[in-house]
Amino acid sequence: NAGVMQNPRHLVRRRGQEARLRCSPMKGHSHVYWYRQLPEEGLKFMVYLQKENIIDESGMPKERFSAEFPKEGPSILRIQQVVRGDSAAYFCASSRMSDKPREHSEQYFGPGTRLTVT
Amino acid sequence: KNQVEQSPQSLIILEGKNCTLQCNYTVSPFSNLRWYKQDTGRGPVSLTIMTFSENTKSNGRYTATLDADTKQSSLHITASQLSDSASYICVVSAEGGSTLGRLYFGRGTQLTVWP
Repeated sequence: NAGVMQNPRHLVRRRGQEARLRCSPMKGHSHVYWYRQLPEEGLKFMVYLQKENIIDESGMPKERFSAEFPKEGPSILRIQQVVRGDSAAYFCASSRMSDKPREHSEQYFGPGTRLTVT
Repeated sequence: KNQVEQSPQSLIILEGKNCTLQCNYTVSPFSNLRWYKQDTGRGPVSLTIMTFSENTKSNGRYTATLDADTKQSSLHITASQLSDSASYICVVSAEGGSTLGRLYFGRGTQLTVWP
């Protein structure tokens, strides 16, 4: 059972270009989370998705950022018109559906995508 | 405001020595607390998870404690090895309501083990 897969592992974009980050959850996991880690900072929650639904996007910037988790295929975090401040490591985590209505199941993290904006 | 504070920010110890990392949190309502290990260039990997009723939990040479009254946790590493060099992150989960399942991450303690 492969772990959470993210690609690419490293991505370089010029200012103004678009960045697409992909995340394939673990087999059997239907929940995906995206986090951003700036240098010397802790991970910050961005968005939580289930298949075909965005559940919580309160941590995601209102402009230029979007996320999806289609019925088929990986989850995509899309950043349009990237700026230098978007340079960071972006981590995806996945989990099963929780058997406790007020809690999330254990999250398993991918290796991250390191985005560099030049 | 929900926050997780860790100390020290960085720590250097010699191989074979023990160390203790600290975590204070203000997350409410509290659901659980996890310690993760993050190797350079990799995603975090869970070491332990503790709920409100658990005071201590071990995973090999790692022992985590939780005092829910004072909202403090510690991670004790025994007989350190070179492979323990990593960032150790304290993560607190909120329960229910508008913060359902939200994970709050500390900045981590960067541990370096020297031979």
